[in-house]
Amino acid sequence: AQSVTQLGSHVSVSEGALVLLRCNYSSSVPPYLFWYVQYPNQGLQLLLKYTTGATLVKGINGFEAEFKKSETSFHLTKPSAHMSDAAEYFCAVSVTGANNLFFGTGTRLTVIP
Amino acid sequence: NAGVTQTPKFQVLKTGQSMTLQCAQDMNHEYMSWYRQDPGMGLRLIHYSVGAGITDQGEVPNGYNVSRSTTEDFPLRLLSAAPSQTSVYFCASRDGQMNTEAFFGQGTRLTVV
Repeated sequence: AQSVTQLGSHVSVSEGALVLLRCNYSSSVPPYLFWYVQYPNQGLQLLLKYTTGATLVKGINGFEAEFKKSETSFHLTKPSAHMSDAAEYFCAVSVTGANNLFFGTGTRLTVIP
Repeated sequence: NAGVTQTPKFQVLKTGQSMTLQCAQDMNHEYMSWYRQDPGMGLRLIHYSVGAGITDQGEVPNGYNVSRSTTEDFPLRLLSAAPSQTSVYFCASRDGQMNTEAFFGQGTRLTVV
């Protein structure tokens, strides 16, 4: 079975500070991993994804994530937070044999001016 | 390029009423899914389809029906609305590859009173 755990339902950072949003997965087979962002009253938009190859993945808006198999993690980072980064972020996993993405419970990011 | 289109955006129902949430995609994707989003619970899978004529239940299927008569459309029916079905509903589509992302509609905010 596969599942995703996002540690911290709310994260607050100051503008210009490092953003770190945590995601751990549980999967018995190699997973595909995704980060989505949801701005208020909107749908989900893909930030980045890991499939195979390079474990450090760069996405849109300056975000990146690193796949660490030994830690079963796929944490999302951004060196310097902007006010426009305030949103909810979801980590998701897909595995061979499953047709759907399985989502974490989300982390709401607040950026303090 | 419309992507995934959901209608309506907002709906208020009385307990016991029925309604259909519409979802259409123009990307010729095989997979389509319905999720509901509730605070602190992330996205939970209601029903999904791997192709026209094929549907299956997800994590929280009770009280909902789906059908998939064409590749493009995947409506979600609420048979007899209950206050517990107050939520934001998202339709998503995905092609047949496990390493590809899902594309989401803008959501339908449903309130059952």
